[in-house]
Amino acid sequence: GAGVSQSPSNKVTEKGKDVELRCDPISGHTALYWYRQSLGQGLEFLIYFQGNSAPDKSGLPSDRFSAERTGGSVSTLTIQRTQQEDSAVYLCASSQTRGGTEAFFGQGTRLTVV
Amino acid sequence: DQQVKQNSPSLSVQEGRISILNCDYTNSMFDYFLWYKKYPAEGPTFLISISSIKDKNEDGRFTVFLNKSAKHLSLHIVPSQPGDSAVYFCAAIGLGGATNKLIFGTGTLLAVQP
Repeated sequence: GAGVSQSPSNKVTEKGKDVELRCDPISGHTALYWYRQSLGQGLEFLIYFQGNSAPDKSGLPSDRFSAERTGGSVSTLTIQRTQQEDSAVYLCASSQTRGGTEAFFGQGTRLTVV
Repeated sequence: DQQVKQNSPSLSVQEGRISILNCDYTNSMFDYFLWYKKYPAEGPTFLISISSIKDKNEDGRFTVFLNKSAKHLSLHIVPSQPGDSAVYFCAAIGLGGATNKLIFGTGTLLAVQP
């Protein structure tokens, strides 16, 4: 596709359930990021994949959060046993390299935990 | 700790005047800085960037200034237009360690009054 695609665009889930959020990056982009934006907050870094290197998971808020990137392309962010404080917009971005070029963002997935 | 800081949560400017958005960073390992613009319910979009070897980069109405000694950058928009109303995020990335991923500030909401 032409841009970063995220699905679903909206997700409402019950507290305690698991959710999976998907990101399709721009073809050929080696770097992939997940960020979270809670209401009224900035962009909180969650996890970063760069090529075949081990992912930088330093931003994941708890062990309920995990992410995978299969075949260097599609990524899935999984939140287990969701809590109300997990409600936020989850944004994925990809870029060609580590830096020197900008990252392109998807539209985000709005997660609401009720 | 917040490595990239935008201390002004909001800014209001009259149409036609200059908008100046500020950003401070703490880590001297950052070597590339970017500004993103975000409309509600959309993902951030890249606006302009600057390498640490430069002190100014201009693109149409948008100019970014970098003061490395002060660890400060600013985005100037002139003349400001109502369509510029959005949240502006600055971001930084570096070569290694904790800086090898895009780190965003908390954003500044710009309102351009007609």
